[in-house]
Amino acid sequence: SQKIEQNSEALNIQEGKTATLTCNYTNYSPAYLQWYRQDPGRGPVFLLLIRENEKEKRKERLKVTFDTTLKQSLFHITASQPADSATYLCALDGNQGGKLIFGQGTELSVKP
Amino acid sequence: GAGVSQSPRYKVAKRGQDVALRCDPISGHVSLFWYQQALGQGPEFLTYFQNEAQLDKSGLPSDRFFAERPEGSVSTLKIQRTQQEDSAVYLCASSRPEGTVRYEQYFGPGTRLTVT
Repeated sequence: SQKIEQNSEALNIQEGKTATLTCNYTNYSPAYLQWYRQDPGRGPVFLLLIRENEKEKRKERLKVTFDTTLKQSLFHITASQPADSATYLCALDGNQGGKLIFGQGTELSVKP
Repeated sequence: GAGVSQSPRYKVAKRGQDVALRCDPISGHVSLFWYQQALGQGPEFLTYFQNEAQLDKSGLPSDRFFAERPEGSVSTLKIQRTQQEDSAVYLCASSRPEGTVRYEQYFGPGTRLTVT
């Protein structure tokens, strides 16, 4: 069955460093992959979408890569700030009308 | 407002009670999704509507769960005879403005259901 795995442990980094989060998947060939941010008590917020034929996408301090051979996406936040502290979710399209299959999320904590 | 709204934000139900959760999507969005999120986990798909048509309900965990979107706008998720394992946050999301093929989803704040 389809499986998506993100860094299971929380990621703690120092302000100003680059945070790198990993999303691996198996038994699946998604047409696109999305990253969301979720703060406690709130719904996920869309950050970036990358398609299967794209290797990299950037938006301000965010960068996403997508390697369909390795079945892996990396999500980078450069010059991280304490305000970037949140849980980050990776999601693949379910190939049926746009439903998303989510990973379990990685909690990021950026210390001043 | 411009975003997805859900009500109530919190619901406590005694085991065996029926509950109804409401979702107001972004105006003009064709697609509407319901997800269930357990503590410390990612959202899990429940069901999907395109306008008023329920095209996928493969994620509904049992026949106690029922969803509708009769006029292609507001949606209601109903859970009958609630059980303790139904305790979770229920998230609604909408996407795809009419005439587009944009796949990013916009989520509401969720309804936290606690079954005692």
